[in-house]
Amino acid sequence: AQSVSQHNHHVILSEAASLELGCNYSYGGTVNLFWYVQYPGQHLQLLLKYFSGDPLVKGIKGFEAEFIKSKFSFNLRKPSVQWSDTAEYFCAVKGAGANNLFFGTGTRLTVIP
Amino acid sequence: SAVISQKPSRDICQRGTSLTIQCQVDSQVTMMFWYRQQPGQSLTLIATANQGSEATYESGFVIDKFPISRPNLTFSTLTVSNMSPEDSSIYLCSVEAGTAGPYEQYFGPGTRLTVT
Repeated sequence: AQSVSQHNHHVILSEAASLELGCNYSYGGTVNLFWYVQYPGQHLQLLLKYFSGDPLVKGIKGFEAEFIKSKFSFNLRKPSVQWSDTAEYFCAVKGAGANNLFFGTGTRLTVIP
Repeated sequence: SAVISQKPSRDICQRGTSLTIQCQVDSQVTMMFWYRQQPGQSLTLIATANQGSEATYESGFVIDKFPISRPNLTFSTLTVSNMSPEDSSIYLCSVEAGTAGPYEQYFGPGTRLTVT
């Protein structure tokens, strides 16, 4: 069965610190991978996506993620976080050609000014 | 991209009653989805709604409990029937959109439902 694991439930960082949020998935086939962000009081927004090609994908606001097929991972990174990055981050996976998005449980990021 | 609105944004309902949630999209889309996000948990797909056909429900969700309508390419409703406190969740509408596949999913603001 498909599943997505996000290892960190709550991450607290100071501004300018580097960020890496882990995401591992279980899926027996070609996948499309996504990171969504939910800022306080706002709805889910797409941060970045991987469909094919270069496994290092860049998204909005300086975020990037690397797809490592051998590790079934799609970790999210940002070299220097800002207070405005405080939000909940969700990793999601979809089988290529499928409709269902499977979400991880989310990681709450708190950035301290 | 797609801009999605939902009504109501939140509601408090008594057990045994039903609530219908509306989802409106600013463009015509083929695929619409309904998700549930229970407190402290991730999003779970309830069903996929295509215009002109019956909704397809995921394991653990049934039409009698969550009837869905999809009368056109920009609108859908989800009804939560015979509610119990366990139905307290955020319900989100989502659509698949893009100029060419693979497509991205965009989400509405959600409807926060509390059942007392």
